[in-house]
Amino acid sequence: EVQLVESGGGLVQPGGSLRLSCAASGFTFSSYEMNWVRQAPGKGLEWVSYISSSGSTIYYADSVKGRFTISRDNAKNSLYLQMNSLRAEDTAVYYCARVGRDGYNLFWYFDLWGRGTLVTVSS
Amino acid sequence: EIVMTQSPATLSVSPGERATLSCRASQSVSSNLAWYQQKPGQAPRLLIYGASTRATGIPARFSGSGSGTEFTLTISSLQSEDFAVYYCQQYNNWPCFGPGTKVDIK
Repeated sequence: EVQLVESGGGLVQPGGSLRLSCAASGFTFSSYEMNWVRQAPGKGLEWVSYISSSGSTIYYADSVKGRFTISRDNAKNSLYLQMNSLRAEDTAVYYCARVGRDGYNLFWYFDLWGRGTLVTVSS
Repeated sequence: EIVMTQSPATLSVSPGERATLSCRASQSVSSNLAWYQQKPGQAPRLLIYGASTRATGIPARFSGSGSGTEFTLTISSLQSEDFAVYYCQQYNNWPCFGPGTKVDIK
């Protein structure tokens, strides 16, 4: 079965750190670009970060730049998000999402999502 | 920065009826527009990409149209499993999503 399974969420104090993981199965993970997308409670979706299939190209949303680090281990079929200097506004469900592309677009949509992991930043 | 808006915020529809959801971009995104369905407690599911191409396994009752700044998702005959929140997302620039339209039972 093709799936993505996130883990590592939890309660953390403001200024703290957390590392999220995403385990991929059912497809050739090393061939796909990946992302993290988040959704604050009762709110819409926000793209957080992108990583190319090899890990050589990385992008971040301005809201997390300098605080979050995306990485991957293709040998372990895993995607990661290291989150430092966490703020209350980072509270959200974090989804791992696979890139979908049509044609030669520079940007992308998301063709496969995990069920998400909840991060709560609160004292 | 491209801003996406969706209307209406909530759409009340009876099973079997047609639902029409709108998405607008603050500037042209060509046909680089995707639609997602999200049910409570679940991950979003890709429905449409390229403004009008159904993703794998998506029933034919879902159709997308539009280009430039105005887009529409139509569900031709609502089934019970279609009551959910629907998001549009542009990928002509950095990915961003609309605020969503909730389709609930009338």
